[in-house]
Amino acid sequence: QKEVEQDPGPLSVPEGAIVSLNCTYSNSAFQYFMWYRQYSRKGPELLMYTYSSGNKEDGRFTAQVDKSSKYISLFIRDSQPSDSATYLCAMSELGGGTSYGKLTFGQGTILTVHP
Amino acid sequence: SQTIHQWPATLVQPVGSPLSLECTVEGTSNPNLYWYRQAAGRGLQLLFYSVGIGQISSEVPQNLSASRPQDRQFILSSKKLLLSDSGFYLCAWSDRQRYNSPLHFGNGTRLTVT
Repeated sequence: QKEVEQDPGPLSVPEGAIVSLNCTYSNSAFQYFMWYRQYSRKGPELLMYTYSSGNKEDGRFTAQVDKSSKYISLFIRDSQPSDSATYLCAMSELGGGTSYGKLTFGQGTILTVHP
Repeated sequence: SQTIHQWPATLVQPVGSPLSLECTVEGTSNPNLYWYRQAAGRGLQLLFYSVGIGQISSEVPQNLSASRPQDRQFILSSKKLLLSDSGFYLCAWSDRQRYNSPLHFGNGTRLTVT
């Protein structure tokens, strides 16, 4: 079993839809959770970062963490064609400011938002 | 603000040739630095990380090596490339002054070994 499992997709939605992206994990020591967006041929861009259970909102994006179920989600409201990208969940036991902020990534979900 | 630069953006090299990829970070001091590889259809794999000049830790035994000659410079090298070294190489940094610092990635180098 992989440490982090991410719904493979691909996912295709119409513009304006609400998108739900999900990851489950098996390592209960994970404390820091991130969502990255990666456009084709570019590096991952940090979207959301949280280290507590519950919801964190930033504009059209909401990150949700449920440590008891070992489950994290990213919701995108009013999706736009510019949201079309690969979304990667990532998590770590220690913060990146420590000597070893190693991230474990999901496989990524390809999202396409069509006009 | 902090920025991270990687070059070249793309590279095609024959098997057996040497490799040198460079990464520099601006706008911060004493960062943690990382090299990741992303193979097609697969997740990101940590290759090396560094907490200071000359300090390198390797995550995966392989044909590659890393060096940090200056505080904000991180280099990925190989003496002889293999076909299996093809992939998308990403440099990242985090702020050692902030325990909760996330990782920030550069735009990567796409390496094709022929």
